[in-house]
Amino acid sequence: AQSVTQLGSHVSVSEGALVLLRCNYSSSVPPYLFWYVQYPNQGLQLLLKYTTGATLVKGINGFEAEFKKSETSFHLTKPSAHMSDAAEYFCAVLSGGYQKVTFGTGTKLQVIP
Amino acid sequence: GAGVSQTPSNKVTEKGKYVELRCDPISGHTALYWYRQSLGQGPEFLIYFQGTGAADDSGLPNDRFFAVRPEGSVSTLKIQRTERGDSAVYLCASSLTQRAEAFFGQGTRLTVV
Repeated sequence: AQSVTQLGSHVSVSEGALVLLRCNYSSSVPPYLFWYVQYPNQGLQLLLKYTTGATLVKGINGFEAEFKKSETSFHLTKPSAHMSDAAEYFCAVLSGGYQKVTFGTGTKLQVIP
Repeated sequence: GAGVSQTPSNKVTEKGKYVELRCDPISGHTALYWYRQSLGQGPEFLIYFQGTGAADDSGLPNDRFFAVRPEGSVSTLKIQRTERGDSAVYLCASSLTQRAEAFFGQGTRLTVV
């Protein structure tokens, strides 16, 4: 089975502060891991993905995430939050034998000026 | 078109009615997915097509839900005898192959009154 847990349904940060959105996954085989962003009234957009190779993955808009197998984590970070980062973020997993991506429940990021 | 297109963007229907939701994937994408996103939740998998065939329909909640993709391109999600609990945003995504990046449409917001 595969599953995703996102800690914190809402996260607030000040503009310019570090963004940290937490994601833990469960998978019996090496997973593919994704972070998607959803802006209000828009579709899901892929921020970044981990498949194989380098465990630190860089994505769009200055975001990055690190795959830590020992911790079964794939936390999303950005050094300095911008107002335009306010959105909902979804962590997702795809593992061998499955043909469907499983999403977490999402984290809404609020950026305070 | 350049992206995944879903129509209509909004649909309000009365309880018990039949609805069809349409998805136009990116040209050339063989894989197509339907997801349902309820308020406050992450997208939940419904069905996955590889070409014309439904490779995995394990996420369809019951036999009132059905989806087709007769020519391996456009897909239609059909819901019979709609219930208020069917109210959600229905998302469609397509990818070049099964494990390639999935591109999402903006969704159809279905409201059953």
